[in-house]
Amino acid sequence: DTGVSQDPRHKITKRGQNVTFRCDPISEHNRLYWYRQTLGQGPEFLTYFQNEAQLEKSRLLSDRFSAERPKGSFSTLEIQRTEQGDSAMYLCASSLRTGYSYEQYFGPGTRLTVT
Amino acid sequence: TQLLEQSPQFLSIQEGENLTVYCNSSSVFSSLQWYRQEPGEGPVLLVTVVTGGEVKKLKRLTFQFGDARKDSSLHITAAQPGDTGLYLCAGARETSGSRLTFGEGTQLTVNP
Repeated sequence: DTGVSQDPRHKITKRGQNVTFRCDPISEHNRLYWYRQTLGQGPEFLTYFQNEAQLEKSRLLSDRFSAERPKGSFSTLEIQRTEQGDSAMYLCASSLRTGYSYEQYFGPGTRLTVT
Repeated sequence: TQLLEQSPQFLSIQEGENLTVYCNSSSVFSSLQWYRQEPGEGPVLLVTVVTGGEVKKLKRLTFQFGDARKDSSLHITAAQPGDTGLYLCAGARETSGSRLTFGEGTQLTVNP
């Protein structure tokens, strides 16, 4: 399978703990995105990278959140001092420009539950 | 404020019926994508439309992009239980890079 992969698929943590998620994009894709999805809502943009450069961050990405893509391949999303409001599905997507658009392909997501 | 409004939010129909899902905005999008999502999984890309008035067909699914590139529709003919899922539209605007803005989704249930 050469799609986007994410690890772990599920994470349960206690409030105040730090968590880190990993995303491996489709190998030839140079753009990588992070989104967050809560129950009953569509995904909301968090941040994206072009190669190793982080080009845009949403206001949703508080200073407790940090994302990296050190070698322009896989990416990590870290949440420090987790809060119950951080409970959500964290989705990663990757894309490559085709014609006039970037088609984004999503991974299976990491479901975070903060207790 | 939701930039993309999807309607209806929920739709429950019988196998064999036709349906249309709408995605509307006051903003112009450079491209619009439709996804389908199963519970506990990531969205799966169905189609991308980029030209105003464009119509794309994927078996029993027909996607249309509005002439002004502000709205889109998804029409399913002769729905089947396997079509059950959350349908999401997502738009990209030239002024906001390649980030996608999603609608809230339409939860479709097709009963056998």
